[in-house]
Amino acid sequence: GAGVSQSPRYKVAKRGQDVALRCDPISGHVSLFWYQQALGQGPEFLTYFQNEAQLDKSGLPSDRFFAERPEGSVSTLKIQRTQQEDSAVYLCASSLDGPGYEQYFGPGTRLTVT
Amino acid sequence: GENVEQHPSTLSVQEGDSAVIKCTYSDSASNYFPWYKQELGKRPQLIIDIRSNVGEKKDQRIAVTLNKTAKHFSLHITETQPEDSAVYFCAAMTTDSWGKFQFGAGTQVVVTP
Repeated sequence: GAGVSQSPRYKVAKRGQDVALRCDPISGHVSLFWYQQALGQGPEFLTYFQNEAQLDKSGLPSDRFFAERPEGSVSTLKIQRTQQEDSAVYLCASSLDGPGYEQYFGPGTRLTVT
Repeated sequence: GENVEQHPSTLSVQEGDSAVIKCTYSDSASNYFPWYKQELGKRPQLIIDIRSNVGEKKDQRIAVTLNKTAKHFSLHITETQPEDSAVYFCAAMTTDSWGKFQFGAGTQVVVTP
């Protein structure tokens, strides 16, 4: 079966551009998470969805970051007016149900802001 | 909030030797502790996890121990093989925090033949 997929795998944006990163979770997985991973660091939590409800967005670094999951499946992480400090790998993960279940990670999108 | 510290940051071992990675956490309410393996350029993959009602868990060459009193947990890899070379991340979570993992900074393990 297909795992979590993300697109694009690589994105180069000029400072000030808007970007949209897509995550396709495993079919039937209720929970979806976004993480930001800087080079040489562990993933940092950004936001969490249970179905279409965004239950926690406490990790979003600024109001330039916005995430949605309108139909409880595919999710999009949008970054407006990108800055150089936004350069990182953005990981999406999904799990079958709520907290305490194994999170399956996607391959990530490497964002480079020039 | 939760803070997870992971040591060492790099670990070099001879093939066949054991590797031990240690993590400490700050939030006594944390009750779920997964370990992820991430090979270069690839996605993190769960290799083992432990819940706070268990002190030790084994899966073939991999084991995790948890000391709730001291708030630390460790990953043990025995009979290391070159394919064990990767970055390993520990994480801690409270199951009432909506799956909000706090990851350690990672340990680069290099297994030399």
